[in-house]
Amino acid sequence: DVQLVESGGGVVRPGEFLRLSCAASGFTIDDYGMGWVRQAPGKGLQWVSGINWNGGSRGYADSVKGRFTISRDNAKRYLYLQMNSLRAEDTALYHCARGLRVVPHAIAPPDAFDLWGQGTVVTVSS
Amino acid sequence: QSALTQPHSVSGSPGQSVTISCIGTSRDVGGFNSVSWYQQHPAKVPKVMIYDVSKRPSGVPDRFSGSKSGNTASLTISGLQAEDEADYYCCSYAGSYTLIFGGGTKLTVL
Repeated sequence: DVQLVESGGGVVRPGEFLRLSCAASGFTIDDYGMGWVRQAPGKGLQWVSGINWNGGSRGYADSVKGRFTISRDNAKRYLYLQMNSLRAEDTALYHCARGLRVVPHAIAPPDAFDLWGQGTVVTVSS
Repeated sequence: QSALTQPHSVSGSPGQSVTISCIGTSRDVGGFNSVSWYQQHPAKVPKVMIYDVSKRPSGVPDRFSGSKSGNTASLTISGLQAEDEADYYCCSYAGSYTLIFGGGTKLTVL
């Protein structure tokens, strides 16, 4: 099956860290840019970060820049999000998403997503 | 990075057409032909309905169409059906490898 499965969420205190993982299966991850999108409880979608096929280009939302780091391991078929200095406002369901276009060796991260994981919940609370 | 502006809610009767607007700036919607629209049913993951302003992915009915004028993008759903009732989000490229979503619009089919 073509799918994305996230893991690594949990309950942490403000200032602590988490590392989210996203396992890709059923497709050649090297051909796609990837991203993370979050959704706070009862709120809308918020783009968090994106990465191109080899990690050479990355983008971050202003709200997470300097605290979060996106990375990927194509050999292991994984996408990651290292989240440091977590804040209460980072509490959300975090989705891993695949870029819509198949563009081998694309320079830019994706600008649209066609495959989404079910998400992993991150709760930041004292 | 302020969220793109969408109406909180829209409604229409079956068979009618509705249009959802997405207002940005020249630094996002107006500056790039990279607007996408997502449909999200309750407790489901988002589904892309439109990309590159007006392109439909395979499998999306042609009742869904997208357009852009200046800093405003629009999603039009014609021939409304009960299953179209969902939340809809616009998303635009905003430069420097960043994306920005709209606040979302709840579509009610009366």
